[in-house]
Amino acid sequence: SQTIHQWPATLVQPVGSPLSLECTVEGTSNPNLYWYRQAAGRGLQLLFYSVGIGQISSEVPQNLSASRPQDRQFILSSKKLLLSDSGFYLCAWDRDTADEKLFFGSGTQLSVL
Amino acid sequence: SQQGEEDPQALSIQEGENATMNCSYKTSINNLQWYRQNSGRGLVHLILIRSNEREKHSGRLRVTLDTSKKSSSLLITASRAADTASYFCATDDGGRRALTFGSGTRLQVQP
Repeated sequence: SQTIHQWPATLVQPVGSPLSLECTVEGTSNPNLYWYRQAAGRGLQLLFYSVGIGQISSEVPQNLSASRPQDRQFILSSKKLLLSDSGFYLCAWDRDTADEKLFFGSGTQLSVL
Repeated sequence: SQQGEEDPQALSIQEGENATMNCSYKTSINNLQWYRQNSGRGLVHLILIRSNEREKHSGRLRVTLDTSKKSSSLLITASRAADTASYFCATDDGGRRALTFGSGTRLQVQP
């Protein structure tokens, strides 16, 4: 069966510090991978998605970047965090077929202070 | 930008009652999906309805889709305290690679 791992669960970082959030998927190959951000009590904002190794699409201009160094690994990074980067970050995957549902990781609560 | 917008934003009911949540969207879609999120956790897929379907059932869940009105509803029958969560609709417009999520309905089921 497929599983998705996302870590860490919580993170408190000072403004200006770097960020690296990692997500890995097991039990499937060539998944589509996604990073979403969720502000408190709000819906999900798509940040990045990837359809293959090294292929990253960015949805919004921002302080963040994403990389996919391996087929089932998706990394969200920042060189210098801003206060506005605080939020709940969710990694997700699905198969590259029609009518597919998303499988989400457990999320990372990031607080930038 | 938000494609789906849920209504109401928050709903509080007693155990055993039915809960109805609505979702409106703006563009043509291939399918519409509903997800559930417990506080501080990831989202879990509940049900998918295709654009050529009008109604779908899964256990205590009933979803309707009206493409002429660009709206969907999620009905949870005989609610339980364990149904307390946020519920999100998400649309697949067929062109974009990723689902677009609404802002969610927070459901509180009182025991």
